Amino acid sequence: EVQPVESGGVLVQPGGSLRLSCGASGFTFSSYEMNWVRQAPGKGLEWVSYISISGSTIYYADSVKGRFTISRDNAKNSLSLQMNSLRAEDTGLYYCARVDYSGMKFWGQGTLVTVSS
Amino acid sequence: EIVLTQSPVSLSLSPGERATLSCRASQFISTYLAWYQQKPGQPPRLLIYDAANRATGIPARFSGSGSGTDFILTISSLEPEDSAVYYCQHRTNWPPSYTFGQGTKLEIK
Repeated sequence: EVQPVESGGVLVQPGGSLRLSCGASGFTFSSYEMNWVRQAPGKGLEWVSYISISGSTIYYADSVKGRFTISRDNAKNSLSLQMNSLRAEDTGLYYCARVDYSGMKFWGQGTLVTVSS
Repeated sequence: EIVLTQSPVSLSLSPGERATLSCRASQFISTYLAWYQQKPGQPPRLLIYDAANRATGIPARFSGSGSGTDFILTISSLEPEDSAVYYCQHRTNWPPSYTFGQGTKLEIK
């Protein structure tokens, strides 16, 4: 079964840092572009960051640019999101998702990040 | 920056009825549009990609149409389990970024 699995979400104070991970199984991770997408409690979906197959092309939403860093390790089938200078508005459920055509076919269950003092 | 506007914000229909959900882009986006269904406590589920292609395992009652700036998701005969929030999403090729609509909440009476 194709199943991304996110981890690393915790309660963190404003200004703090956090690293999220996404392990991929059931598919050839090194053959797919990947995204991080988040969802604030009770709100809609917000794309966060994209990484190409090789990791050479990376892009971020303006809301996280300069604070978040996406990376991947194809040898370990893993995706990461380093989150620095966290703000209350970064609170939400963070999903990793596999890119398929113009959409995202496979999503994890998400990992919850709470930024609060 | 492309903005996707979904309408209506919510709708309530009965089983067996037809649902028509709209997504309008602020600029021409060809057919680079996807639709998702999200139920409470679950991740989004890809329904339609490239405007009109049903994703693997999606029932035939779900269909997508449109190109340019106006897109439609149609659910031909509603089932109780179709109650969910539906999102449209666009991907730009360069730079590779994504935009979601604000969602349409569908209630099955």
